[in-house]
Amino acid sequence: AQKVTQAQTEISVVEKEDVTLDCVYETRDTTYYLFWYKQPPSGELVFLIRRNSFDEQNEISGRYSWNFQKSTSSFNFTITASQVVDSAVYFCALNRDSSYKLIFGSGTRLLVRP
Amino acid sequence: DAGVIQSPRHEVTEMGQEVTLRCKPISGHNSLFWYRQTMMRGLELLIYFNNNVPIDDSGMPEDRFSAKMPNASFSTLKIQPSEPRDSAVYFCASRGGTTYNEQFFGPGTRLTVL
Repeated sequence: AQKVTQAQTEISVVEKEDVTLDCVYETRDTTYYLFWYKQPPSGELVFLIRRNSFDEQNEISGRYSWNFQKSTSSFNFTITASQVVDSAVYFCALNRDSSYKLIFGSGTRLLVRP
Repeated sequence: DAGVIQSPRHEVTEMGQEVTLRCKPISGHNSLFWYRQTMMRGLELLIYFNNNVPIDDSGMPEDRFSAKMPNASFSTLKIQPSEPRDSAVYFCASRGGTTYNEQFFGPGTRLTVL
């Protein structure tokens, strides 16, 4: 069975703080893909990143960074120097190789206060 | 390039009325998905098309829901008759081309059934 757990329901930080959103996944597959999506207050779902199971190299994109650790089945997302515009619900998702189904976590609501 | 286009963005209707939601996927994508998002159930996959053919409709709630994809650039999700419990945000997403497994979502249609 596949599952994605985002244990943090809601996080509140003050602008310029660093914040890490946790994502833990379960799968028996050896090849799979992990994703992060952002859903701002306007409602759309924005694709942020895809990671393949065979590539554990961490990735940095501006203030965003992702830490993929197969040993702990985690794919955590860190925002450095958070900004009010980062306020959104963030979803982690899992996809098996050769499958179309995205398994979403329940999301983490991030509130960045000025 | 244009992203996934959905219309209408908002729909308010009365119970018993027919509702039609529309989606134009990203050009060149061969997979199309319809999702429903509610507070109680999160993101649910309703139906998946590949090359215009419905592959998995196991998420369609009941016979009141139907979806079509007459060509590669257009899909509809119809609810007839609508009920208040159908109130939700409906997303269309597409995948394919040179992207890997990531799905790109449209802005969603917020449906309210009174």
